[in-house]
Amino acid sequence: LAKTTQPISMDSYEGQEVNITCSHNNIATNDYITWYQQFPSQGPRFIIQGYKTKVTNEVASLFIPADRKSSTLSLPRVSLSDTAVYYCLVGGNNAGNMLTFGGGTRLMVKP
Amino acid sequence: GAGVSQSPRYKVAKRGQDVALRCDPISGHVSLFWYQQALGQGPEFLTYFQNEAQLDKSGLPSDRFFAERPEGSVSTLKIQRTQQEDSAVYLCASSLAQGTNYGYTFGSGTRLTVV
Repeated sequence: LAKTTQPISMDSYEGQEVNITCSHNNIATNDYITWYQQFPSQGPRFIIQGYKTKVTNEVASLFIPADRKSSTLSLPRVSLSDTAVYYCLVGGNNAGNMLTFGGGTRLMVKP
Repeated sequence: GAGVSQSPRYKVAKRGQDVALRCDPISGHVSLFWYQQALGQGPEFLTYFQNEAQLDKSGLPSDRFFAERPEGSVSTLKIQRTQQEDSAVYLCASSLAQGTNYGYTFGSGTRLTVV
């Protein structure tokens, strides 16, 4: 399974755009890139998933360069409620594919 | 139900006691996973079910850990003779077994404290 590397923590302010970059140098051809968000005392919550180029949904955007060795989660205009741990995962997206979490990035949004 | 439900939310066990943690997945979800999350760490895989079949239990840390899903819906994670290192949050996740770009839905977890 591809290993991921992401910053341990990041600080931001309300209204700013936040970009969290994840490195996954050993990503396999059939691996997808998925991001989860976790608030204290809750389970992780799926945010976005992509394979290449750019994916956008109502919550975030995911940018994936052509070599797919990294990806960037972009959160537009963060608010205090976006303070959470964000996990980058790579792997197959077939049912039964185990999710392998790293340490995640602790995002602190300040007023 | 609308989401994955886990019970109890909190469990305090004396060392050596047996515990049982319950997971009610989303109705119709075929895949079910158990994860263990230590304080300040990411979740770590324990075991995986497809319907009632336990297809992967490679993450179970010892033979004191046992999981079952006899009818392919509710699952129970049992820990025998609990030890202090078992203290963690135990998360359950479920997903549909079809389509792409789906995500796993996690429950809020059971926080186990062994004293």
